[in-house]
Formats: sequence, structure tokens, C-alpha cells
Amino acid sequence: KNEVEQSPQNLTAQEGEFITINCSYSVGISALHWLQQHPGGGIVSLFMLSSGKKKHGRLIATINIQEKHSSLHITASHPRDSAVYICAGPSNYGGSQGNLIFGKGTKLSVKP
Amino acid sequence: KAGVTQTPRYLIKTRGQQVTLSCSPISGHRSVSWYQQTPGQGLQFLFEYFSETQRNKGNFPGRFSGRQFSNSRSEMNVSTLELGDSALYLCASSVGQGAGGELFFGEGSRLTVL
Repeated sequence: KNEVEQSPQNLTAQEGEFITINCSYSVGISALHWLQQHPGGGIVSLFMLSSGKKKHGRLIATINIQEKHSSLHITASHPRDSAVYICAGPSNYGGSQGNLIFGKGTKLSVKP
Repeated sequence: KAGVTQTPRYLIKTRGQQVTLSCSPISGHRSVSWYQQTPGQGLQFLFEYFSETQRNKGNFPGRFSGRQFSNSRSEMNVSTLELGDSALYLCASSVGQGAGGELFFGEGSRLTVL
């Protein structure tokens, strides 16, 4: 069982819509990463957060450490937001916090 | 400031061969971590190096190995290649050790094993 679960797996939206991607994890982590991967493979780190909320432009990430849940929101979505969004957190496996465990990703497609 | 550079970007090997991939981190970053991405398994952590020492290791066979040099550049090696090793191999650098800091990814090395 993957310790990091994302939903939905696929998401199609119309330009301008508000988008939410959810991430739940079963491991005890101290921080969570949100990553963006465009076709071609390159990955960009969007956020790394351990509490509360962070905002960058039209992107907002929230995390509730106690509930082991994080969300990524995109306001006023645009076709250039089309990408795969991945959440990841450090695993406690072997008593060493460092191995990142990844969600399967959410493929977002924004239609003009 | 130059980003994370991975070489080669694409390569094709045959079963049984070995391959070495290189990752040059952002200047000043001392941690380099490696990941394998396949359509079936998604992204999986391979290992992390910090100050020339392997600090964390994922659940991969011993055919997968790596090292880090004094200038923080890192290489990973896969010996006795299998068809299932075909994947995108990504490295990421960060200032500190572990996954608690921001990660900067390279464009990846896409390996095809025939």
C-alpha cells in the first residue's frame, strides 16, 4: 500500500476554474513537497511546507500535520497549468527520515 | 545561477551492459538524491548522498550504486542492465541533508534497455 495517496488521479478543467488536488499520507512526516512535472520529464518543486499555508502566485498549498492531509489549489486555472502534480513526504522507514515517498500523481488538463 | 545538470539526457543500452549517469548539483548544494521514474511504479527514491557519504537508500537491488565526489557532483551506476531498468532517472540537489528542504531537480536521463 502506497503511504502517500493522491486524488484525483486525473482531472480535466476549463480555463478559469478553481482546482483542488488532495494528498493524504499514512507515515508520520515533518514536511511535504508538492512537485510539478510537465511532459518531457522535468520536475519543478512548487512548495515544501510543514505547517499552515503557502501561496505563490495562483498556487496555494495547505497542510494539516495532525490529520496527515495536504491540498494544492490552483486559482483561475490556465492551459499552461496542465501538468502532473505530485506530492511527496519523507518516510520514517528504517528510522531515517530522508527517503521520499511519492504519490502516484494527478494529471491535470486545463482546456481553453 | 546554473541549475542541476544531468548527463547524458538520453541513452540506449542492451541487457547485461552497465551504465553511468552523472549529476552536477547547484553550486553550494551538498546533497544529491537520485530517483527512478517508470510508468508502472511512478517515482521511487534510489539514494541520497551528502558530503560524499550515502545517507539514505531506497529499496533497490545492489546493481544500483552511486557515489559523490568532493565537488558534490554525483554519479549513479547500474550494472547488468535488465529490461525493467528502462526509466527516467532524475537527480535533485538541496542545501542540506534529507528531504526536509527544497529540492531542485535536473531534467533527467532517459534510459532505454533493449
